[in-house]
Amino acid sequence: GENVEQHPSTLSVQEGDSAVIKCTYSDSASNYFPWYKQELGKRPQLIIDIRSNVGEKKDQRIAVTLNKTAKHFSLHITETQPEDSAVYFCAAGAGNQFYFGTGTSLTVIP
Amino acid sequence: DTGVSQDPRHKITKRGQNVTFRCDPISEHNRLYWYRQTLGQGPEFLTYFQNEAQLEKSRLLSDRFSAERPKGSFSTLEIQRTEQGDSAMYLCASSLLVGGWGYTFGSGTRLTVV
Repeated sequence: GENVEQHPSTLSVQEGDSAVIKCTYSDSASNYFPWYKQELGKRPQLIIDIRSNVGEKKDQRIAVTLNKTAKHFSLHITETQPEDSAVYFCAAGAGNQFYFGTGTSLTVIP
Repeated sequence: DTGVSQDPRHKITKRGQNVTFRCDPISEHNRLYWYRQTLGQGPEFLTYFQNEAQLEKSRLLSDRFSAERPKGSFSTLEIQRTEQGDSAMYLCASSLLVGGWGYTFGSGTRLTVV
């Protein structure tokens, strides 16, 4: 099955700086890569996703890049704000089920 | 709200008891998924339904676990003879069969087995 690794496990940045979270996956059949944000005690919420036919996708301050050859994808958050503090999960799959990374706890310091 | 409802939000049970959770997906979503999340980990896939058919089950879903979606709408997840290792957040998610690759998760049911 798929194996998704996520780094770093914790990340602290100053407000206004950028944050980058990286994930690798093992199954070349995976063709969909969503990112979820989970605040303490709340449900995971989809923040951005990318399909394998696209190398980069951007939505305001959030962007995701995908390198299918190297089997890795990254989340980039620019101009971070305190409300970006949460746990972020990457996932990889082919539509029926997703395999999640172990999460990155992001803290944005005001 | 995202539209996926789970009940109850919290459940405390004694080891050996049976528990049942309910999930109501977004009404037009054909697919329904169950995941389990333990502290500090990402969600782990348990099973999924397409309409009323259970199409895939994870090895994590032991014989003590059973899920149903009898009419292709709500789903139930039952755990028999609960063990302390079953303590986790049980998340339900739904998606469209076509074009809706991203899940919408429910708020989850937090199970504590004492």
